[in-house]
Amino acid sequence: TQLLEQSPQFLSIQEGENLTVYCNSSSVFSSLQWYRQEPGEGPVLLVTVVTGGEVKKLKRLTFQFGDARKDSSLHITAAQPGDTGLYLCAGQSYTSGTYKYIFGTGTRLKVLA
Amino acid sequence: NAGVTQTPKFQVLKTGQSMTLQCAQDMNHEYMSWYRQDPGMGLRLIHYSVGAGITDQGEVPNGYNVSRSTTEDFPLRLLSAAPSQTSVYFCASSLTSGKGDTQYFGPGTRLTVL
Repeated sequence: TQLLEQSPQFLSIQEGENLTVYCNSSSVFSSLQWYRQEPGEGPVLLVTVVTGGEVKKLKRLTFQFGDARKDSSLHITAAQPGDTGLYLCAGQSYTSGTYKYIFGTGTRLKVLA
Repeated sequence: NAGVTQTPKFQVLKTGQSMTLQCAQDMNHEYMSWYRQDPGMGLRLIHYSVGAGITDQGEVPNGYNVSRSTTEDFPLRLLSAAPSQTSVYFCASSLTSGKGDTQYFGPGTRLTVL
């Protein structure tokens, strides 16, 4: 069974601080996605990375896919209260003739003003 | 473009009752899926479909049935609800089931089974 572990599980920081969220597995993934979910809503895609070592930036958010495509990180610079939410990583693998996603356990971020 | 819609938003059932969670998308996506989200466990895949008439089981299919008679609709049926099925259910769709395809999620259905 493939597992994706995220750390930390909870994070409460002050506005302006930097943070990094990790997503780790022993399995190799074809691609990896990061989502943000707000209370009462479904997850919304932030980024997709497909190549080992790939780095993508989305304003203050930097995403990296591990060289071996088993892990990923999300770094937020100068966090703002609007970054508050549940961050989920999802690894995609090809099984039983189709691509499927496995989601991590999530990191709940709270940014205090 | 409404995206992915789900109904109802909230539902309370008694043990043993049956119900159908509705999901529809208007983006002509081939791939649709159902997840459940429980605290500390992320989202787990229940069933998925790669096109009309084709469905398959995900990670946690027991107690749930699906069908896909049209491209737009992908209902999830609970045949005999159990307290262990208390969860938030999300429907998602993507253009294909290809590598790196973007999944679009509905707003979720919060189900409580007493």
